[in-house]
Amino acid sequence: EVKLVESGGGLVKPGGSLRLSCVAPGLTFSDFSMNWLRQAPGKGLEWVSSISRAGSYMYYTDSVEGRFTISRDNVKKSLYLQMNSLRAEDTAVYYCATNWGYDPFDAWGQGTLVTVSS
Amino acid sequence: EIVLTQSPGTLSLSPGERATLSCRASQSVSSTNVAWYQQKPGQAPSLLIFGASRRATGIPDRFSGSRSGTDFSLTISRVEPEDFAVYYCQQYGTSPPYIFGQGTKLEIK
Repeated sequence: EVKLVESGGGLVKPGGSLRLSCVAPGLTFSDFSMNWLRQAPGKGLEWVSSISRAGSYMYYTDSVEGRFTISRDNVKKSLYLQMNSLRAEDTAVYYCATNWGYDPFDAWGQGTLVTVSS
Repeated sequence: EIVLTQSPGTLSLSPGERATLSCRASQSVSSTNVAWYQQKPGQAPSLLIFGASRRATGIPDRFSGSRSGTDFSLTISRVEPEDFAVYYCQQYGTSPPYIFGQGTKLEIK
């Protein structure tokens, strides 16, 4: 069973920054596209960002474009999300997830909570 | 951009009953490009169905998916107590953005 472990969530003030990490020690990490998704309290799932296997292609949902940066380190089997200029509406549980190319998300981490509040 | 509309918002059933969840796409979607996820309280989502009708590894055969035009369905033939959860459909297969429906909550009647 693939295990993904997120970390880095917490409480941050509006306008602040946070860096999320996701490690996948048992995964052939470089074989997979990696993704961040989020779920605001009591709400549905929202895709946030994706990065291709070698990190050549990155995609963002419109609401985070220019504020969030996705990156990966295939040697460390780690995925990152640098979140700047955070807003209250970014408050959510953030999940990392794997997929093959543009396929469904077949493995998910347990999530890390980001709370943006003054 | 495709919009996925799930119905009903909440489905109240007793264990042993048949559940049918719907996901309607606002425009044509390839039949291989809809997935269904299950999310239990306090847990991450997990993949149930991909390619509209193919069960993911380890998913019991009481779960099935189907398509009719732009309408996709998830059916649970006989709901078990562990099946009460929220279910999401998702469109995939092209470069992002990846689109989710708003979810259907299957609750115990």
